[in-house]
Amino acid sequence: KNEVEQSPQNLTAQEGEFITINCSYSVGISALHWLQQHPGGGIVSLFMLSSGKKKHGRLIATINIQEKHSSLHITASHPRDSAVYICAVLASYNTDKLIFGTGTRLQVFP
Amino acid sequence: EPEVTQTPSHQVTQMGQEVILRCVPISNHLYFYWYRQILGQKVEFLVSFYNNEISEKSEIFDDQFSVERPDGSNFTLKIRSTKLEDSAMYFCASQDRGQRPQHFGDGTRLSIL
Repeated sequence: KNEVEQSPQNLTAQEGEFITINCSYSVGISALHWLQQHPGGGIVSLFMLSSGKKKHGRLIATINIQEKHSSLHITASHPRDSAVYICAVLASYNTDKLIFGTGTRLQVFP
Repeated sequence: EPEVTQTPSHQVTQMGQEVILRCVPISNHLYFYWYRQILGQKVEFLVSFYNNEISEKSEIFDDQFSVERPDGSNFTLKIRSTKLEDSAMYFCASQDRGQRPQHFGDGTRLSIL
């Protein structure tokens, strides 16, 4: 069983829709990352959080440590948001490596 | 904004050949990582490097792999005798200190023929 699970695997939306991507993990963590992988393959860090909520522009990330669950929300989605969104955790017992989820492929159509 | 750069963007190599993937981390960063992503699969940790030595490595990082920071700016991953299953996208990342966001390069796509 994967230590980090994401849902859905694939997501299609119309421009302007509110998007939610979910991440559940089974290990204790010190922090959780949301990453964006572009169609060309490059990875960009969006958020790193260990509690509560963070907001950057149209992106909002929340985490519930007790429930071992995080969500990434995109408000007023746009075709340029089309990418793979990856959840990755920094395990409490190991501060070096990220453990990645399988990613959620988002396509936003005009 | 400073960024992590990786070269080459695409490397094609015959099976059994040695390959060196290069990374230039952000200049004031102290922690360095290599990850790989086989096509269609999730990103996997290979190795972390701090204070001129490996701090952790995964089961994937066997004796065929090595890392080096030869000149204080470059961070390299060497695969001594490549296998078909080494074909993947390899990502370098750097971090200024522990428990901080990692900054990723755009990756090197390695194709083994």
